[in-house]
Amino acid sequence: SQTIHQWPATLVQPVGSPLSLECTVEGTSNPNLYWYRQAAGRGLQLLFYSVGIGQISSEVPQNLSASRPQDRQFILSSKKLLLSDSGFYLCAWSVRNTGELFFGEGSRLTVL
Amino acid sequence: QQQVKQSPQSLIVQKGGISIINCAYENTAFDYFPWYQQFPGKGPALLIAIRPDVSEKKEGRFTISFNKSAKQFSLHIMDSQPGDSATYFCAASIQTSGSRLTFGEGTQLTVNP
Repeated sequence: SQTIHQWPATLVQPVGSPLSLECTVEGTSNPNLYWYRQAAGRGLQLLFYSVGIGQISSEVPQNLSASRPQDRQFILSSKKLLLSDSGFYLCAWSVRNTGELFFGEGSRLTVL
Repeated sequence: QQQVKQSPQSLIVQKGGISIINCAYENTAFDYFPWYQQFPGKGPALLIAIRPDVSEKKEGRFTISFNKSAKQFSLHIMDSQPGDSATYFCAASIQTSGSRLTFGEGTQLTVNP
């Protein structure tokens, strides 16, 4: 069966520090991968999605970047965090062309 | 045209009551309509989904009603329980083209004991 792992679960970082959130998927090949952000426990904002190694599309301009160094690994990064980067970050994967999305457990980021 | 509008933003229901959450869309090319359930501090999980060739789908206490002509779909939770208290998201996509899901803004459901 397929599983998705996302870490760290909780992170408290000072403004201006770097960020790295990692996500890996097991039990499937060539998944589409996604990073979402959820502010105030409500709406899901798509940040990045990837259809293959090294292929990243950004949905909104921001202080963050994403990379996909391996087929089932997706990394969310920032060189210098802003207060506005605080939120709940969710990694997700889908089997191509099915639309069904599977989410990880999320990473709670607090920037102080 | 890619928007999915969800209402209400929050809903309080007594135990045993019916919870109803509504969504409306504009893009008639959408062909996949899932609902996701999210508990606090957790990632959303697929609850139930429907395709436009049927008007209703039922799984246990959860039912999706779909009105293609009105471009609306809704989630009904029968005999609502306190354990159903969560945030619910509707979504839509064009599966045939592998498009990404467009999510509604979410509904925070509270079921009082």
